[in-house]
Amino acid sequence: DTAVSQTPKYLVTQMGNDKSIKCEQNLGHDTMYWYKQDSKKFLKIMFSYNNKELIINETVPNRFSPKSPDKAHLNLHINSLELGDSAVYFCASSRVGLAGVETQYFGPGTRLLVL
Amino acid sequence: RKEVEQDPGPFNVPEGATVAFNCTYSNSASQSFFWYRQDCRKEPKLLMSVYSSGNEDGRFTAQLNRASQYISLLIRDSKLSDSATYLCVVNMLRNQGGKLIFGQGTELSVKP
Repeated sequence: DTAVSQTPKYLVTQMGNDKSIKCEQNLGHDTMYWYKQDSKKFLKIMFSYNNKELIINETVPNRFSPKSPDKAHLNLHINSLELGDSAVYFCASSRVGLAGVETQYFGPGTRLLVL
Repeated sequence: RKEVEQDPGPFNVPEGATVAFNCTYSNSASQSFFWYRQDCRKEPKLLMSVYSSGNEDGRFTAQLNRASQYISLLIRDSKLSDSATYLCVVNMLRNQGGKLIFGQGTELSVKP
């Protein structure tokens, strides 16, 4: 009964490959996100989707393409992987709580290593 | 200037100590404020929201000063299990989901 799940947990791949990371939430939330946490542990938002509509796209290279087939899923496809893409990618989902305040719940992360 | 700045760490404190973390944010249009906690190799988890009136949750007290764009977290009677990285987080949006901006985190290590 994991709330936000991601697959795979670890991903090791060669430069130039294309890979996908999947995310699913069973919380009934309307909004889902992708974050990147780099080697310095700095966590930065990449994308958000609300009801399958792209809301935030934060100057991410267009090699990264999010896809939301339905409200419960937000996948991330990465083309032509580069060394600098190595990071931990977190999926999150959120609901609007009291006073319009968002509470975000994070998945366990996908550790991507590009060789 | 970073959008959210925190005290550089790490903080190394003995059990039972009181420790305070400070954070400033640059955008006065920020909507809501949080402290998240991240354990080593784990995902961030919400510790508490921060309200202008200040709020307390057990040993944790959070304060927000909108005028000076300053957020704080006080941990009293620290436990070994409090060891983690504490992330100051600001939400820039109100509708259609949030846009969380994270500080760089402050690492806390509580020693016996």
